[in-house]
Amino acid sequence: ETGVTQSPTHLIKTRGQQVTLRCSSQSGHNTVSWYQQALGQGPQFIFQYYREEENGRGNFPPRFSGLQFPNYSSELNVNALELDDSALYLCASSLVDESGTEAFFGQGTRLTVV
Amino acid sequence: AQSVTQPDIHITVSEGASLELRCNYSYGATPYLFWYVQSPGQGLQLLLKYFSGDTLVQGIKGFEAEFKRSQSSFNLRKPSVHWSDAAEYFCAAHSGAGSYQLTFGKGTKLSVIP
Repeated sequence: ETGVTQSPTHLIKTRGQQVTLRCSSQSGHNTVSWYQQALGQGPQFIFQYYREEENGRGNFPPRFSGLQFPNYSSELNVNALELDDSALYLCASSLVDESGTEAFFGQGTRLTVV
Repeated sequence: AQSVTQPDIHITVSEGASLELRCNYSYGATPYLFWYVQSPGQGLQLLLKYFSGDTLVQGIKGFEAEFKRSQSSFNLRKPSVHWSDAAEYFCAAHSGAGSYQLTFGKGTKLSVIP
């Protein structure tokens, strides 16, 4: 039990639609990151939010966007869905400080685009 | 470019046998290193981490890993595998305190023969 919860657990969308995935981080964690894990692959970093500001982004187009809220929740939004967006989306929360720390992952949202 | 490599896609071992999963990294400086385990359709659970200090790191579920700077490796070991260890294992790294962009390897699937 990591204390990080994601919703929904599964989702089916049609190509071209928009989707919002949600994550509730551990209390006190100031950083949330989102990862995309395609079938049979390792997770790929999408972006990171620190104190409600995006402060790192991987190789994903602008139609992937996010928000982080003061209540330790966050969202991943994907516009104009493509078939290749089908994947497990993982949220990770962490407390970033001078000593470095670890990420706590949620169970993920399985997105299928048809 | 920063990268993490897991050379073995799939490993099969007999229950009770020892296990070693390989991980190599390519970073400008020594990164922070992690091993995660993922059961089918689930999120990622942290097994162990290396930030600095003792190069032999103990983790949960009887796993350990050894950091070898000269070989840019961080191999995961377990002296006696249990059937419940069957899962996908991911090695990951990030560049240091204040940054939490994890780079994952592609994973090693572990099968355990009873």
